[in-house]
Amino acid sequence: RKEVEQDPGPFNVPEGATVAFNCTYSNSASQSFFWYRQDCRKEPKLLMSVYSSGNEDGRFTAQLNRASQYISLLIRDSKLSDSATYLCVVLSLTTDSWGKLQFGAGTQVVVTP
Amino acid sequence: AAGVIQSPRHLIKEKRETATLKCYPIPRHDTVYWYQQGPGQDPQFLISFYEKMQSDKGSIPDRFSAQQFSDYHSELNMSSLELGDSALYFCASSRYGDLETQYFGPGTRLLVL
Repeated sequence: RKEVEQDPGPFNVPEGATVAFNCTYSNSASQSFFWYRQDCRKEPKLLMSVYSSGNEDGRFTAQLNRASQYISLLIRDSKLSDSATYLCVVLSLTTDSWGKLQFGAGTQVVVTP
Repeated sequence: AAGVIQSPRHLIKEKRETATLKCYPIPRHDTVYWYQQGPGQDPQFLISFYEKMQSDKGSIPDRFSAQQFSDYHSELNMSSLELGDSALYFCASSRYGDLETQYFGPGTRLLVL
């Protein structure tokens, strides 16, 4: 079982609509959480960090629920350029795992005109 | 701003050959991570280095080795290449005091024939 689980999608979203998806993680000792964006054949790029209090960056809102061990991402007013794979990423800083990022399999989002 | 540099960007090798991938971190970054992303897969952590010492090890095959040099660049050496080694290899870098913020290079696409 993967440590980070995501719905692979694809989520087909009309331009201007809102889309939300989440992921779950299994290691309760995980300390930091992120959403990365990856375009086809390109490197992952940090979209935003995720905090328990919830955080917003423009049209993107991320939320962390530590009790249920899930992380969510909501995209408002979707743009065509939002089409990508969104990777849920978890970081644990322990003696066994210092700095390595654990990736989910990614959720594909396709924004259509 | 300077980014992580990886070379070569593309590499084609035959089975049982060797390959060396290079990574040049962002200036003043002292920590380097290697990830492998197979076709349709999420990135998997291979190995990381801090101040020229191995800091963490993931699912890196025994046929692979890596090191970090005094100028902080890193090399991933791959021997006895197998078809299954065909993948995108990403290098990421960070500062030790800010392990949460890892910047990814553009990747090396390795094809083993």
